[in-house]
Amino acid sequence: ETGVTQTPRHLVMGMTNKKSLKCEQHLGHNAMYWYKQSAKKPLELMFVYNFKEQTENNSVPSRFSPECPNSSHLFLHLHTLQPEDSALYLCASSLGERVTGELFFGEGSRLTVL
Amino acid sequence: AQTVTQSQPEMSVQEAETVTLSCTYDTSESDYYLFWYKQPPSRQMILVIRQEAYKQQNATENRFSVNFQKAAKSFSLKISDSQLGDAAMYFCAYRSGYGGSQGNLIFGKGTKLSVKP
Repeated sequence: ETGVTQTPRHLVMGMTNKKSLKCEQHLGHNAMYWYKQSAKKPLELMFVYNFKEQTENNSVPSRFSPECPNSSHLFLHLHTLQPEDSALYLCASSLGERVTGELFFGEGSRLTVL
Repeated sequence: AQTVTQSQPEMSVQEAETVTLSCTYDTSESDYYLFWYKQPPSRQMILVIRQEAYKQQNATENRFSVNFQKAAKSFSLKISDSQLGDAAMYFCAYRSGYGGSQGNLIFGKGTKLSVKP
């Protein structure tokens, strides 16, 4: 079982749909992250949670709503998305926000918005 | 604000040969960390190597080594004895040494490495 698991791996949704991405980590980490990966652009940090508390919201539109019920689970709720939101969404975790902490990534959820 | 630049969108290397991937960064901070991450076609990104800015010695991990030039703000990755499994996207990343909200990774756009048999 991989350390960080993301579901679903692929998601196609219309602009009026509501869907959620799920991330689960089995590494005992305290910090979890959502990144957006678009073609030919650097990875963009979206949200950071440390001990279930949101510590970073990188000016993400409100149509993306994160939820972190515990240190092992992280969700990204999606509502009324735009076609430009199509991307690979990566979840990661680390041992707190220690600066030397390595990030462990999931395989990502490929989102297509029609 | 800090930035990370990878000027080589794609690179190619012959199996068993050596290849160097370039990365430059811009920062006014003195305390920071630099990373190379690898993202194979399966998409799970993994850490390849890490360098602390306060260390003068270049980091090495088996066939992977870096050339860290602090004054030039350059952080290149050298892969020796390239293997087919090295084919992937490679991302250079910067992380402030000051923790908190400044302690999150800033990534470059990546370099796609192909390995020819």
